Amino acid sequence: GQSLEQPSEVTAVEGAIVQINCTYQTSGFYGLSWYQQHDGGAPTFLSYNALDGLEETGRFSSFLSRSDSYGYLLLQELQMKDSASYFCASFTGGGNKLTFGTGTQLKVEL
Amino acid sequence: EAGVVQSPRYKIIEKKQPVAFWCNPISGHNTLYWYRQNLGQGPELLIRYENEEAVDDSQLPKDRFSAERLKGVDSTLKIQPAELGDSAVYLCASSPDRANPNGYTFGSGTRLTVV
Repeated sequence: GQSLEQPSEVTAVEGAIVQINCTYQTSGFYGLSWYQQHDGGAPTFLSYNALDGLEETGRFSSFLSRSDSYGYLLLQELQMKDSASYFCASFTGGGNKLTFGTGTQLKVEL
Repeated sequence: EAGVVQSPRYKIIEKKQPVAFWCNPISGHNTLYWYRQNLGQGPELLIRYENEEAVDDSQLPKDRFSAERLKGVDSTLKIQPAELGDSAVYLCASSPDRANPNGYTFGSGTRLTVV
């Protein structure tokens, strides 16, 4: 089966840096994606890591270690609008589907 | 470019009634997915289409759920009869290239409440 574990909730202050971890157990693993979802909204794509290492896109960075079955999303210079749920998702090429974790609710405070 | 469009946005029905959801994917996206998202959880795949062919429906409860994608564009997901446990957000997503998840785009979903 496929499973991805994330912390359920993280709280940080505006301007800070926060890291959301994800550990996974999947077969046929191709890569790890991250999605942001505001309440009542659509999940929106943030990043995808197929190779080990760090990918940077503006204030957001994502890291993958295939040997450790581990990844994280790093959010810098937090803004209030970053308050949302963040999901890691494993991409398995055999079935061409994304399997999502349970999500991490990020609360950004003043 | 219009995104993935879903309707209705919200639906409240009594148990045992039928319900249908509609999805219009991004133009040119051959792959279409239906996901179900329960409160506080991540989306779970129900069915995947490549053009008009359902290539992965292993998670679709076939006793009450059905889906179709006529002409390989729009898709409908139906539940008949609905049960209380079907209350969830039903998300549609599409992608242009099934080998690359970067283009995965979700619609805003249909929030179903079964009473």
